[in-house]
Amino acid sequence: EVQLVESGGDLVQPGGSLRLSCAASGFTLSDHDMDWVRQAPGKGLEWVGRTRNKTRSYSTEYAASVKGRFSISRDESKNSLYLQMNGLKTEDTAVYYCIRGINDWGQGTLVTVSS
Amino acid sequence: DIQMTQSPSSLSASVGDRVTIICRASQGIRNALGWYQQKPGKAPKRLIYAASTLQSGVPSRFSGSGSGTEFTLTISSLQPEDFATYYCLQYTSYPLTFGQGTRLEIK
Repeated sequence: EVQLVESGGDLVQPGGSLRLSCAASGFTLSDHDMDWVRQAPGKGLEWVGRTRNKTRSYSTEYAASVKGRFSISRDESKNSLYLQMNGLKTEDTAVYYCIRGINDWGQGTLVTVSS
Repeated sequence: DIQMTQSPSSLSASVGDRVTIICRASQGIRNALGWYQQKPGKAPKRLIYAASTLQSGVPSRFSGSGSGTEFTLTISSLQPEDFATYYCLQYTSYPLTFGQGTRLEIK
């Protein structure tokens, strides 16, 4: 059974940094494209970024709103995906989901950016 | 960026009704479109991919159609568990973009 479990969400001040983790089980992470999607409170879904699978060299794509501030990485030995978030803004406040193949979603982790 | 416009933004319907939600793309996306259902406090769940392919385990009352720039999600006979928010997602080019959502409420 595919499972994705996000963690690392927290309250952080504007300008701060946070790293989210997504622990994957039930499949081999390196075989799959993985995405991060976020949802601000009471709002719709926004795609954040993607890391492609090993065959495509784990290359990445990002939304313009996070490019240069966020980065996606993997640790295949831990079967885990990460989202490093720097220069956080109040508008980054959201539930962050990791997703396998735009089909299997984790339960999400809440990031709150506020002073 | 490809803009995805959903209509209506909200919809009231009764159990047993047939409902249709439309998603329009600002440029052609072939059939690279998925439909998702989200219930309050839960992660979205994919219902349809490739515009018209039903995800395994999803009831057959859900169907999708369309290609190019106009797509529809149809629920043939609403059940109580179908009241939720629905989103379309285009995945033909980056950035991936979602529609703004359609909230389906009980009349």
